Amino acid sequence: QKEVEQDPGPLSVPEGAIVSLNCTYSNSAFQYFMWYRQYSRKGPELLMYTYSSGNKEDGRFTAQVDKSSKYISLFIRDSQPSDSATYLCAMSVTNFGNEKLTFGTGTRLTIIP
Amino acid sequence: DAGITQSPRHKVTETGTPVTLRCHQTENHRYMYWYRQDPGHGLRLIHYSYGVKDTDKGEVSDGYSVSRSKTEDFLLTLESATSSQTSVYFCAIRAGRGDNEQFFGPGTRLTVL
Repeated sequence: QKEVEQDPGPLSVPEGAIVSLNCTYSNSAFQYFMWYRQYSRKGPELLMYTYSSGNKEDGRFTAQVDKSSKYISLFIRDSQPSDSATYLCAMSVTNFGNEKLTFGTGTRLTIIP
Repeated sequence: DAGITQSPRHKVTETGTPVTLRCHQTENHRYMYWYRQDPGHGLRLIHYSYGVKDTDKGEVSDGYSVSRSKTEDFLLTLESATSSQTSVYFCAIRAGRGDNEQFFGPGTRLTVL
């Protein structure tokens, strides 16, 4: 079993819809959680960075962490065609430089105009 | 891309040949990383560096070596390329608030025939 599980999709939703992307994990020691957006043939771009449980909001994006369920989510409100990309979750135990990030495999999202 | 460049951006080579990929950063960041990205596996850490001449292995380091003789350059070498090393390779640096966020370069697409 992988440490981080992420539904690969693809996920297609109409423009303006609320999108929910999710990851589950098995290592209860994870404390730092990230969401990256990756456009086709580009490098991953950091979207959200959270520590421990709770919600964090940045514009149309909300990251949610539920450590009791080992479950993290990224919500996108008022989705736009420019949100079409692959979304990767990542997590780590510490934020030290020698700490590796454990990534999900990514969910491919398409927003239909 | 957080001031990160990678070269070459695309390369096709034959089994058994040596290959060197270069990552260059312009902002004097201490930590640099090499990842590979493959379908179904997400991003996996190959090697990382925490300073000039200071490097360590990641989770998929077999068949790869690295060198960092200057702060701005981190080289990844495949001594004798194999078809299993066909992948997209990303360099990353640590930056951001508290220097605890990873930012990725544009990637190098390597094909080993």
